[in-house]
Amino acid sequence: ETGVTQTPRHLVMGMTNKKSLKCEQHLGHNAMYWYKQSAKKPLELMFVYNFKEQTENNSVPSRFSPECPNSSHLFLHLHTLQPEDSALYLCASSHGAGTEAFFGQGTRLTVV
Amino acid sequence: EDQVTQSPEALRLQEGESSSLNCSYTVSGLRGLFWYRQDPGKGPEFLFTLYSAGEEKEKERLKATLTKKESFLHITAPKPEDSATYLCAVQATGNNQGGKLIFGQGTELSVKP
Repeated sequence: ETGVTQTPRHLVMGMTNKKSLKCEQHLGHNAMYWYKQSAKKPLELMFVYNFKEQTENNSVPSRFSPECPNSSHLFLHLHTLQPEDSALYLCASSHGAGTEAFFGQGTRLTVV
Repeated sequence: EDQVTQSPEALRLQEGESSSLNCSYTVSGLRGLFWYRQDPGKGPEFLFTLYSAGEEKEKERLKATLTKKESFLHITAPKPEDSATYLCAVQATGNNQGGKLIFGQGTELSVKP
């Protein structure tokens, strides 16, 4: 069992669909993150949650909607996405500032 | 603006041929510098954290060092299984930065037998 688990691993969705990505961490961390990794570009922070409270929204379009019901679970709700949103979406968790983050295996999203 | 630049973008080595990867950073205040390894189709795997200039960390064939402007990841006598993309990231100080990581674009390392 890995420390950070993401489901699904692969997702293909149409531009009018609604889907959700799920992340669960078993490390006892209090901070959770969503990152986006596009081809040939650096990992890009999307959202940060500390103790279930959103502390950063990195100018992400409203078609991405995060939810953090508790310190162990994080969701990313997707609706009316664009083809350019196709990417690897990575969840991570950490003890917070100054500590290393541990990543899940990611969800490979393809928008058609 | 906080920024991380890695070089080279790609590096091809023969097995046993030692080399170094560079990570240059510009940050208002450094809280920590992190190295990760990423295999294709997988999430980044944590390798090292460095906090202050002069600090060094080692793990098997890898050694990470830090100065006030850059970090190096030295690979000694690499093996084919060391082939991966190596990512460098920094955390900046500041009240609202939290655990936010700013990543470089990575160095894709290929080690041939």
